[in-house]
Amino acid sequence: DTAVSQTPKYLVTQMGNDKSIKCEQNLGHDTMYWYKQDSKKFLKIMFSYNNKELIINETVPNRFSPKSPDKAHLNLHINSLELGDSAVYFCASSQFHEQYFGPGTRLTVT
Amino acid sequence: GENVEQHPSTLSVQEGDSAVIKCTYSDSASNYFPWYKQELGKGPQLIIDIRSNVGEKKDQRIAVTLNKTAKHFSLHITETQPEDSAVYFCAARDDYKLSFGAGTTVTVRA
Repeated sequence: DTAVSQTPKYLVTQMGNDKSIKCEQNLGHDTMYWYKQDSKKFLKIMFSYNNKELIINETVPNRFSPKSPDKAHLNLHINSLELGDSAVYFCASSQFHEQYFGPGTRLTVT
Repeated sequence: GENVEQHPSTLSVQEGDSAVIKCTYSDSASNYFPWYKQELGKGPQLIIDIRSNVGEKKDQRIAVTLNKTAKHFSLHITETQPEDSAVYFCAARDDYKLSFGAGTTVTVRA
């Protein structure tokens, strides 16, 4: 059984479009995260939700908006996509300290 | 905020030899130090972690050491195997988030 799943795995789109990435975890964890991994493999946190409430909002453009309909789901919506948004986006979840990552969504903006 | 530095950025070892990756952190309040392994096209996988009240932890061929005074922690992989080839990330957690090192690409030569 997949613990943290994301859809889609690959996303290719043009500049200016709006797109969403979905994440679900079946671990029963209270906290979920979105990370961005750039072309140099650097992992940086973007957002964190605990029991559907936003607790971390790093310096991320307003074009990025997370939504947590329930504590098992955390979606990421991106408006007006730019070339620099191309990256791999990882969802993760945790119940105390240990964080478990999803398989990633590779976003390519052309 | 926390700043984690990781060295080396690349590491090539002969199968059967040991590999050591070192990290330093800046925030003395950090209290949890996980290590992740990321294989090509996959999400980071938690392989071992250590808390600030422990100096060393071992799990089969991998071990982690922590020196809180010097703010250093290290990952040791013994008897390396080809399947150990991956990118390894260290991280440090302060009160609310993980900060990651830049990653070490480990290649195990057969």
